[in-house]
Amino acid sequence: QVQLVQSGAEVKKPGASVKVSCKASGYIFTSYSIHWVRQAPGQGLEWMGMINPSGGSTNYTQKFQGRVTMTRDTSRSTVYMELRSLTSEDTAVYFCAREEAEEDYFDCWGQGTLVTVSS
Amino acid sequence: AIQMTQSPSSLSASVGDRVTITCRASQGIRNDVGWYQQKPGRVPKLLIYAASFLESGVPSRFSGSGSGTDFTLTISSLQPEDFATYYCLQNYHYPYSFGQGTKLEIK
Repeated sequence: QVQLVQSGAEVKKPGASVKVSCKASGYIFTSYSIHWVRQAPGQGLEWMGMINPSGGSTNYTQKFQGRVTMTRDTSRSTVYMELRSLTSEDTAVYFCAREEAEEDYFDCWGQGTLVTVSS
Repeated sequence: AIQMTQSPSSLSASVGDRVTITCRASQGIRNDVGWYQQKPGRVPKLLIYAASFLESGVPSRFSGSGSGTDFTLTISSLQPEDFATYYCLQNYHYPYSFGQGTKLEIK
């Protein structure tokens, strides 16, 4: 079955970087875009950006421009989200989600990765 | 960037009630809206896509409508398992954007 499995929880110090992975299975990896969404504690969902695993093209929301990089490794059917210069405001659960190809909705989500930024 | 203004931010209702949640886009977005349900500690779940299409397996008491700038999610008869937070998401163009969420609580 279609599945996205994310890497485990991370604790980082302010100023550090974090790289979260999202491994896809059960479908053709290069046929569906992967999006990243985050949710700070007690807050709503925030769209961060996306990557097209086929060619590697990306689109980021302006808030994270220059601080986030999304990449993919097609040999491992895995996408990565790296966020740099972390602050306490980046403490959140980070989700990857697959975008259905025709109607553009998120039809499968990873389990979420908690990133805690604390000194 | 397109902003999605969702209302209300919270709502108290009883089992059996009919409830409506709205999202207004800052510009026309055709019917490129999805609705998601999230329970505490859980992954969001798709309910409605393309404004009015019910995702497979979602109960028929959920429905969506709208086009252009105004969209609604309606639950015709609330069930205990429906108490959750609901989000709209515009996928008209990048950057995608969520509404602020509506927390549906038991009265």
